[in-house]
Amino acid sequence: GAGVSQSPSNKVTEKGKDVELRCDPISGHTALYWYRQRLGQGLEFLIYFQGNSAPDKSGLPSDRFSAERTGESVSTLTIQRTQQEDSAVYLCASSYPTPDYGYTFGSGTRLTVV
Amino acid sequence: QKEVEQNSGPLSVPEGAIASLNCTYSDRVSQSFFWYRQYSGKSPELIMSIYSNGDKEDGRFTAQLNKASQYVSLLIRDSQPSDSATYLCAPDMGQGGKLIFGQGTELSVKP
Repeated sequence: GAGVSQSPSNKVTEKGKDVELRCDPISGHTALYWYRQRLGQGLEFLIYFQGNSAPDKSGLPSDRFSAERTGESVSTLTIQRTQQEDSAVYLCASSYPTPDYGYTFGSGTRLTVV
Repeated sequence: QKEVEQNSGPLSVPEGAIASLNCTYSDRVSQSFFWYRQYSGKSPELIMSIYSNGDKEDGRFTAQLNKASQYVSLLIRDSQPSDSATYLCAPDMGQGGKLIFGQGTELSVKP
């Protein structure tokens, strides 16, 4: 597509429920990144994919967080048993194999856990 | 020590002035450096990249890099109210492709 597409744009969920966040990268971008941004805070790295492998999962905060990617296409970030501290904007970005030309970010998913 | 440090601001400048945003980073292996702009409630957008020591100009924006000092800056000339945003510094720390973002500097340009 023309840009990075994320869905849903907003998600309100009850504490303890599971949620799935979706990211569709720019066509031809083999690298895909997930970041989290809490209100008023900076971007916190979660995980990145090169194709469908995840060389770096170091930022996933706990085993409640997981992500997968199908080929060089859509990625899904899953949060199980959501907690209130999971409330944040989840940003997805994509790039060519290395970020030499920077990332392109999607518009994000705003997750609110109540 | 944080990997990427920026003054959080807010930095307030009058319209038409030069805004100077600074960033220091901890890892000497960084080769690529990026500046992103983030408007309130929006996602970051890439505005400048720089790879070599010295200055790189693009319109009203100039990025400056000094690898020996592990310092990168962004100058915005003729600042406009529409430049009011948070500016994020992001070196490629050579960690397999991920960018590490600073906390950002909030810029406010007053008419």
